[in-house]
Amino acid sequence: AQTVTQSQPEMSVQEAETVTLSCTYDTSESNYYLFWYKQPPSRQMILVIRQEAYKQQNATENRFSVNFQKAAKSFSLKISDSQLGDTAMYFCAFMTGGGSQGNLIFGKGTKLSVKP
Amino acid sequence: DTAVSQTPKYLVTQMGNDKSIKCEQNLGHDTMYWYKQDSKKFLKIMFSYNNKELIINETVPNRFSPKSPDKAHLNLHINSLELGDSAVYFCASSQELLASYEQYFGPGTRLTVT
Repeated sequence: AQTVTQSQPEMSVQEAETVTLSCTYDTSESNYYLFWYKQPPSRQMILVIRQEAYKQQNATENRFSVNFQKAAKSFSLKISDSQLGDTAMYFCAFMTGGGSQGNLIFGKGTKLSVKP
Repeated sequence: DTAVSQTPKYLVTQMGNDKSIKCEQNLGHDTMYWYKQDSKKFLKIMFSYNNKELIINETVPNRFSPKSPDKAHLNLHINSLELGDSAVYFCASSQELLASYEQYFGPGTRLTVT
């Protein structure tokens, strides 16, 4: 069975500092996709960043970047220059195939608090 | 110009009732999903529809029935509601041919069964 594990239920960081959220996954598939979603108190699920397993280069989106280690099945999220608006639940998610076969498998989430 | 919308956003009802949650997307996507988020924030897929055809049906009680009248809509009907059905239900959509496979989520419907 495919699983996603987020080992940090809660984390906190000072504003402007850097924080890394951990995620590991388990699969026997060779082609898959990884995502980090953010869920602020508003409840809306927002895609932060995605990574295709066949790409060796780590994805980056402004202050957000990932460290994708395929052999170790690790997909951590780094948030640089943390802002108060980054306070949210962060979910790591995994998908094999795409489109009509592409249901997301989520980790249990990490609650991130950014302190002023 | 909301991409994925759900109605209602909040639903409070009593055990044994039947209720529906509606979902609409205006993105032209061909695949829609229902996810359930429990009280511990754990998200799990319930159903997936592609072009009005059921593709994924996870282990969900048959009291839950999705209905897709067209590609832009995927409604969730729940019969004989139970306390354990209390959760946030998210609708999402994606486009199969897009290499990004990004799923766009609706705002969620918080269902409370009393």
